[in-house]
Amino acid sequence: AQTVTQSQPEMSVQEAETVTLSCTYDTSESDYYLFWYKQPPSRQMILVIRQEAYKQQNATENRFSVNFQKAAKSFSLKISDSQLGDAAMYFCAYHNFNKFYFGSGTKLNVKP
Amino acid sequence: DSGVTQTPKHLITATGQRVTLRCSPRSGDLSVYWYQQSLDQGLQFLIQYYNGEERAKGNILERFSAQQFPDLHSELNLSSLELGDSALYFCASSVGLGGAGTEAFFGQGTRLTVV
Repeated sequence: AQTVTQSQPEMSVQEAETVTLSCTYDTSESDYYLFWYKQPPSRQMILVIRQEAYKQQNATENRFSVNFQKAAKSFSLKISDSQLGDAAMYFCAYHNFNKFYFGSGTKLNVKP
Repeated sequence: DSGVTQTPKHLITATGQRVTLRCSPRSGDLSVYWYQQSLDQGLQFLIQYYNGEERAKGNILERFSAQQFPDLHSELNLSSLELGDSALYFCASSVGLGGAGTEAFFGQGTRLTVV
């Protein structure tokens, strides 16, 4: 069975600093997609970044980048130059055809 | 706006009752997913439909059922409601089962409160 694990229930970062959120997953598949979603207090789920497993190059979206280690089944999210608006729950997700599973989330606090 | 519409936004009902949550996916999306998010918890995958057919089941209770109609909208039926069913229920849609358009777009959720 595929599972997604986020081992950091909560993290804090100073505004303008960099923070890394961890995610590991378990799968026997070779073709899949990984995502990070952000859930602010409004509870809306917002896609932050996507990584295709067949691509070795790590995805980047402005201040957000990932460190994808396929062999280690690790998919961490790095947020650079943290802003107050980055404060939210962050969910790592795994998608392989029928299955779209989410981790338990990491609550990110941003200190001014 | 993600393009996924969920109704109602809020629902308050008594234990033992039955409710129906509705989801309209983004135009062109064939896959619909349902998730349950209890307070300060992660998203529990309930069920997925693709083009009208059930494709995957997660931790969905027998008291819960869902379907996807020919116009691709989906309904999640919750019956014999218990206090523990109080949660935020999300619907998400994606283009298909795989390929380039695999990201899921989420609706705003339906907040269900069972009293």
